[in-house]
Amino acid sequence: EAQVTQNPRYLITVTGKKLTVTCSQNMNHEYMSWYRQDPGLGLRQIYYSMNVEVTDKGDVPEGYKVSRKEKRNFPLILESPSPNQTSLYFCASRAGAWHEQFFGPGTRLTVL
Amino acid sequence: KQEVTQIPAALSVPEGENLVLNCSFTDSAIYNLQWFRQDPGKGLTSLLLIQSSQREQTSGRLNASLDKSSGRSTLYIAASQPGDSATYLCAVRIDYGGATNKLIFGTGTLLAVQP
Repeated sequence: EAQVTQNPRYLITVTGKKLTVTCSQNMNHEYMSWYRQDPGLGLRQIYYSMNVEVTDKGDVPEGYKVSRKEKRNFPLILESPSPNQTSLYFCASRAGAWHEQFFGPGTRLTVL
Repeated sequence: KQEVTQIPAALSVPEGENLVLNCSFTDSAIYNLQWFRQDPGKGLTSLLLIQSSQREQTSGRLNASLDKSSGRSTLYIAASQPGDSATYLCAVRIDYGGATNKLIFGTGTLLAVQP
């Protein structure tokens, strides 16, 4: 089944403890993105990648890192999480610049 | 700056009714528009993608239209069912030059279909 997967789906952590949220797609898509969704603010893009080793900042990149060493994987790294990073995170992928975008199931992160 | 608005923010209808969800955008220079469905606390499911050169797309009971010149899109749901209850989001893709483009989301319409 063609899909975008994320792990973990739920995570509660404490301030300053480094964490990684994994994202993988099995559709051989070139483009991958990370978004966060917050009440009243909608979906905002954190980082995106146009291909292996090519990444760029979105609208809210502060406090996040990403890497794209393989085409299928695009992990989101929080080096020192803070409570304002408590949010619902989505990974997404698409085949090309103008193609349909597919989303993962989301990761609900709580930083205490 | 592109802004995407969805009205109404919430809608409640009885089962079986046909309904229309609205999406408007301020800049007509879009490449495509995508409609999504989101169930509470869940991911976004792609419903329909309309390219800028197209006027409409259909999938089952769903029909989406696009009028670029007026900056509007509608999602028509025929014979609504309780299982259609969800938040519906529209998003437009715009070009920032080079290989950079961006998906701008609306704030969504929360639909409740009453049995």
